[in-house]
Amino acid sequence: DGGITQSPKYLFRKEGQNVTLSCEQNLNHDAMYWYRQDPGQGLRLIYYSQIVNDFQKGDIAEGYSVSREKKESFPLTVTSAQKNPTAFYLCASSPPGRASEQFFGPGTRLTVL
Amino acid sequence: GNSVTQMEGPVTLSEEAFLTINCTYTATGYPSLFWYVQYPGEGLQLLLKATKADDKGSNKGFEATYRKETTSFHLEKGSVQVSDSAVYFCALSDRGGSQGNLIFGKGTKLSVKP
Repeated sequence: DGGITQSPKYLFRKEGQNVTLSCEQNLNHDAMYWYRQDPGQGLRLIYYSQIVNDFQKGDIAEGYSVSREKKESFPLTVTSAQKNPTAFYLCASSPPGRASEQFFGPGTRLTVL
Repeated sequence: GNSVTQMEGPVTLSEEAFLTINCTYTATGYPSLFWYVQYPGEGLQLLLKATKADDKGSNKGFEATYRKETTSFHLEKGSVQVSDSAVYFCALSDRGGSQGNLIFGKGTKLSVKP
């Protein structure tokens, strides 16, 4: 089955700790994205990557970092600099030539205690 | 800048009722328009899309027509089911952008009662 995997589904961390969220896809998509979802605010773009070893900041990149060493993987690190990290994080990818038709993973709910 | 406005929820309907979720947009150029659906505890799924004026997207009994004159892309379904309970997001993609970024509305929660 092709798709996007995010793990874990729920993640708890203490304030001040960095945490890395996993995103893997086996769809052979070049482009990948990270969104943050907060209640009543829809989705906001954190980072995106159109190709391996390249990534760009989205609308709310402060306090986050990413890497794209492999086509299949696009991990997101939530650093201690992120002032309000508790949220639902969604990873997505899109096929070549159809960048707007994004396929989403099931999400990771991060709670910082 | 580009933006999407959709009706606030929650929307509660009885099974077999008619559904309309309003969506209007502001954009330069000629954006593509999308409806995504998020079932409880899951990620988003593309429901339907339209890429130019007067296009009608349809899927699973849902449909939406790209209306350039009113800058709208309202989602409709003639007879909803309990299984349609979800959050629905309207989104646009500015074709002028190089990265395929989607701009989402805030979402409308739909609850369908038996």
